Amino acid sequence: ETGVTQSPTHLIKTRGQQVTLRCSSQSGHNTVSWYQQALGQGPQFIFQYYREEENGRGNFPPRFSGLQFPNYSSELNVNALELDDSALYLCASSHRTGPNTEAFFGQGTRLTVV
Amino acid sequence: GESVGLHLPTLSVQEGDNSIINCAYSNSASDYFIWYKQESGKGPQFIIDIRSNMDKRQGQRVTVLLNKTVKHLSLQIAATQPGDSAVYFCAENRDETSGSRLTFGEGTQLTVNP
Repeated sequence: ETGVTQSPTHLIKTRGQQVTLRCSSQSGHNTVSWYQQALGQGPQFIFQYYREEENGRGNFPPRFSGLQFPNYSSELNVNALELDDSALYLCASSHRTGPNTEAFFGQGTRLTVV
Repeated sequence: GESVGLHLPTLSVQEGDNSIINCAYSNSASDYFIWYKQESGKGPQFIIDIRSNMDKRQGQRVTVLLNKTVKHLSLQIAATQPGDSAVYFCAENRDETSGSRLTFGEGTQLTVNP
């Protein structure tokens, strides 16, 4: 167990709806990153949050947004869901102490858009 | 463009044999690499990492080799066990201040036959 928890574990939404996924980071970690993992592929970086601000973003449209709270937990919001948004969404936490620190992943949220 | 990729999508070995999983990268400026193991229904689990100032690093039953000349790294698993069956990803860390902005390859499915 990594100490990173995500909720819910599974979710089914209809195309066009909005979804919010949640992540509690490991104790002592101040940085949270979100990844999208399509079936049979490696995770793709969505964005990272540090000190409650977005700090780096991958190639994802603005309808993917997030928040980080004072306790370092985070939310991923996706608006206007599309069928291709069906994937495993992973949260990773780390501590910004210097270069190349290890990231710990949660179990992920399996999102299905129908 | 920059990418991190794997040579083989699947690898099947006998229990007790040694396994070697390969990965190529294209960005010569990459300076930190991580191997992750992902079991079905779980998030990626850190196995071992290596920095570009090293050629080899050993862990418990695992060894990572880095060849900067040909931009190649490998993961060696000694005495492979059925519990090692999983998808293995190499990932490149592109954030110098945090360990969580990762670029993943597509993964190699390792199957260990009893």
